[in-house]
Amino acid sequence: GAVVSQHPSWVICKSGTSVKIECRSLDFQATTMFWYRQFPKQSLMLMATSNEGSKATYEQGVEKDKFLINHASLTLSTLTVTSAHPEDSSFYICSARDWDSYNEQFFGPGTRLTVL
Amino acid sequence: GNSVTQMEGPVTLSEEAFLTINCTYTATGYPSLFWYVQYPGEGLQLLLKATKADDKGSNKGFEATYRKETTSFHLEKGSVQVSDSAVYFCARGGAQKLVFGQGTRLTINP
Repeated sequence: GAVVSQHPSWVICKSGTSVKIECRSLDFQATTMFWYRQFPKQSLMLMATSNEGSKATYEQGVEKDKFLINHASLTLSTLTVTSAHPEDSSFYICSARDWDSYNEQFFGPGTRLTVL
Repeated sequence: GNSVTQMEGPVTLSEEAFLTINCTYTATGYPSLFWYVQYPGEGLQLLLKATKADDKGSNKGFEATYRKETTSFHLEKGSVQVSDSAVYFCARGGAQKLVFGQGTRLTINP
């Protein structure tokens, strides 16, 4: 149980285009989903927290107009990187928790974004 | 503040060696503590967890004990294998968010 998927697993796009990454909880209802960014050989940086049906809460320094997050259902959250630039290239990881998981988050496999 | 500090890597060991990766935390109250493992090119997988003081989490031969008096959650394994090569993250939970340590890259040589 507690499986989280991400799609796509990797994507290459041109500078200036927008890219959407999906995060799904496959066998549980995720009341909260998290989006992280990971630079090579570094730890995870929390970008934002989203609760189903409400606006995402962004961490300090993360541009909400640049990284659009939608959590429209209990099993799906999307991250859209708008007008992507090479510096947005990174490994994006989502996680999800349900209401009784006692702070435990279940992580997706990650999406590697490369912006040319 | 609330933070997690891990032993700096990289750590390189021979197969069957004893492993310790230190982790200490600061927090108000008694957060849940976790160890996650990340294999190359993949997301994080929960390795083990402990939710209260003196709890011992264990999985795949790895163990960690929640030590309130030393605010530590050190990861140990008695005999490592080449397949244990990965990056290990200590984390503390609380108020919805997980706070991660910086990660420790472990390489096991045959």
